[in-house]
Parts: sequence; structure tokens; C-alpha cells
Amino acid sequence: DTGVSQDPRHKITKRGQNVTFRCDPISEHNRLYWYRQTLGQGPEFLTYFQNEAQLEKSRLLSDRFSAERPKGSFSTLEIQRTEQGDSAMYLCASSRSRVEETQYFGPGTRLLVL
Amino acid sequence: SQKIEQNSEALNIQEGKTATLTCNYTNYSPAYLQWYRQDPGRGPVFLLLIRENEKEKRKERLKVTFDTTLKQSLFHITASQPADSATYLCALPHTDKLIFGTGTRLQVFP
Repeated sequence: DTGVSQDPRHKITKRGQNVTFRCDPISEHNRLYWYRQTLGQGPEFLTYFQNEAQLEKSRLLSDRFSAERPKGSFSTLEIQRTEQGDSAMYLCASSRSRVEETQYFGPGTRLLVL
Repeated sequence: SQKIEQNSEALNIQEGKTATLTCNYTNYSPAYLQWYRQDPGRGPVFLLLIRENEKEKRKERLKVTFDTTLKQSLFHITASQPADSATYLCALPHTDKLIFGTGTRLQVFP
């Protein structure tokens, strides 16, 4: 399967712990996006990469959040000192070069902070 | 500020009928609009893109309209089936990213 994959699919952690999620995009896609989705809401943009460059970050992305895409391939999203409000589905999507291109989403990582 | 509104109430329709979902937006002048389908516990899946100079676009049983004067897009599923039950999201471009609506849950019952 050559779709977008995310790991882990589910994560339960205690408040104050750090968590890291991984996203593997479709191989020829230059753009990679991270979104957060809570129940009853649409995906909210967090950040995106064009190859290895992080080009935009949402104001939603506090300094506890950091994302990397070191070689322009897979990406990681780290949340430090998790809070209960961080509980959500974290979605990764990839596309070719422009925002107009179809975004292909992964299955998401569901985070629960106790 | 920009706003995208989709009916937050679920739409329940009988199999075989046409489902019509609405996406309204304010303070936007998007060059195009996209519709996605999302099943519970899964990521959204792209369905259709319609550009501002296109009034209507079709794909199999799906039809999308885009009225830039009314700032509205309508999404139709004809001859609906229980398998069409899902949440449908509209998305508009803003700078270099997509902004999604809250989605409308469609339930098609036999």
C-alpha cells in the first residue's frame, strides 16, 4: 500500500508526558500537512512542510508542539508536557507541490491525555 | 474573519433519495473549493474539486455546485445508498493551506 501512514494509531499518555507521532507521506509528494481534529469539528491546520522546509505554523501550535521533516520524507510531530486539551485526532496529509492539489490523508493518531 | 459553515445537524434520508449538503462561507474569495468524505475513525478522503469559474461538476452520483455570488457550494448525492453514510467536509484554500468546515453527518437508512 502506497498511501499515507501514521504511527501509532492510538496513544494514551498521562498529563505532563511527551509524545511523538510519525507520518510517512506518499513517496513522490513534496508537501506534508499536520492537522488536529476534535469530535464534531473539521480538521484544523497545524503546520506544513514543502520538502524539508517548515513554511507555516498555525497559532494553535504552541511552543509545546514541534514538527520536523528532516530529509523531506517522513515527518514527526512532538508534543511536550501534554495537557488534557491536547486530546484529539492528529491527522497527516500529503500532496504534490501546490495547495490546490488533492490532499491524501493518513488514518490519524488518536491521542488521549489522562 | 473567514468562516465556513456546514449544517452541524445530521441529515437523515431514505435510500434512493437525493441528499443535499450545504457549505456557506464568508470573508473568502476562494479560487476553488473541495469536498471530502470522512468515515468514523479515519482520515478524510478527497471527492471533488470545483473552481470558481465552474458552476457545476459531476462525478458518478455526486454533483457539486459553486455560487461565488451567494458564497455557497451545494453537494448532492443522487440515488443515495446506506454506504454513503459518512461525514462530508468542504474545504477552501487560504494562503497555502486548506481550511475545513465542521462537516455534515449524512445517514442514509434503508
